[in-house]
Amino acid sequence: EAQVTQNPRYLITVTGKKLTVTCSQNMNHEYMSWYRQDPGLGLRQIYYSMNVEVTDKGDVPEGYKVSRKEKRNFPLILESPSPNQTSLYFCASSVTGQGLSYEQYFGPGTRLTVT
Amino acid sequence: KQEVTQIPAALSVPEGENLVLNCSFTDSAIYNLQWFRQDPGKGLTSLLLIQSSQREQTSGRLNASLDKSSGRSTLYIAASQPGDSATYLCACYDSWGKLQFGAGTQVVVTP
Repeated sequence: EAQVTQNPRYLITVTGKKLTVTCSQNMNHEYMSWYRQDPGLGLRQIYYSMNVEVTDKGDVPEGYKVSRKEKRNFPLILESPSPNQTSLYFCASSVTGQGLSYEQYFGPGTRLTVT
Repeated sequence: KQEVTQIPAALSVPEGENLVLNCSFTDSAIYNLQWFRQDPGKGLTSLLLIQSSQREQTSGRLNASLDKSSGRSTLYIAASQPGDSATYLCACYDSWGKLQFGAGTQVVVTP
């Protein structure tokens, strides 16, 4: 089954404790992206990757890191989480090409609480 | 920068009534527009994707229209049911595949 998976689905952590949220897709998609969703602000893009070893900032990259060492995986790293990073996080993937825009497929979400 | 607006923010209708959800965007140079459904605390369910060359897309009771020149899309849900209660999000794609989301319309369908 074609899908985007995220782990963990729920996470409660404390300020400053490094964490990684994994994202994996089995559709051989080049493009992967992370979004966060906050009440009243909607979904906003954190980082995206056009292909292996190619990543770039989205609208709200502060406090986050990403890496793309393999095509299928795109982990989101919070080196020193803070309470304002409490949010619902979504990973997405798609086929891509400049000037061409393809439907993105979303993971189930990761609810992160930083105390 | 693309801005996507959804009005109203919340909507309550009796069962059986047709739903009309609006989405407007500031930059008409979009590639695709997609409508999603989100249940409370849950993930995103894709409803309809309208490609930039299309004017509308239909699936069952759902119909979405796209007017790029006026910067508008409308999602129609016919004969609403209590199970349609959810938040509906629209999102515009740019040429690099980035999605810009609206804040959503929260819909309640009362029996």
